[in-house]
Amino acid sequence: DIQMTQSPSSLSASVGDRVTITCQASQDIINYLNWYQEKPGKAPKLLIYDASNLQAGVPSRFSGSGSGTDFTFTISSLQPEDIATYYCQQYDSLPYTFGQGTKLEIK
Amino acid sequence: EVQLVQSGAEVKKPGESLRISCKGSGYTFTTYWISWVRQMPGKGLEWMGRIDPTTSITYYSPSFQGHVTISADKSISTAYLQWSSLKASDTARYYCARLENSCSGGSCYTYWGLGTLVTVSS
Repeated sequence: DIQMTQSPSSLSASVGDRVTITCQASQDIINYLNWYQEKPGKAPKLLIYDASNLQAGVPSRFSGSGSGTDFTFTISSLQPEDIATYYCQQYDSLPYTFGQGTKLEIK
Repeated sequence: EVQLVQSGAEVKKPGESLRISCKGSGYTFTTYWISWVRQMPGKGLEWMGRIDPTTSITYYSPSFQGHVTISADKSISTAYLQWSSLKASDTARYYCARLENSCSGGSCYTYWGLGTLVTVSS
């Protein structure tokens, strides 16, 4: 199985801050990586697909980068509505695997 | 509009059996795999397995192989997740999802149900 190591597990930041989350795969997954946002009581929402492509309708302050084994998710200017838990997920090979999640809080 | 509509919350006792469902609409059900994802209370997302609704071929994560059964009835566009003997540790929210990126109009999408909360308690 491909292990996805996501960090940090939690993060406290101020409105307007730049926030970065990393995800490392245990083997090369090319760019087969999605980033999800999960809010309480709601299904996970796809934000970034193929590592760096912004899904339609998602604010441009969200971005993703990376390839191979190392990936980064960035919020350029944190907004109050961005409070959520974020997950990376690889779909290079089965079984699909998720990172452990990053819980983002407002300072 | 693509929708995955899941069955309602369940409260069961240890040792009981259970089947929860996920009905697809707004697309050709047999075109896309259906995955199941577990989220235990306060924990992260875990991929359990998936099924090809056309052939009913399944793939299970090793962590879930033998503990659950995934099935589908393409005639009613519905996938199922079932347990033969529940344990307290099966308490979780279970999502069905189309996790393979579906691309159109210059963007790609995945689709999720709202989840079914399963509580197992004596």
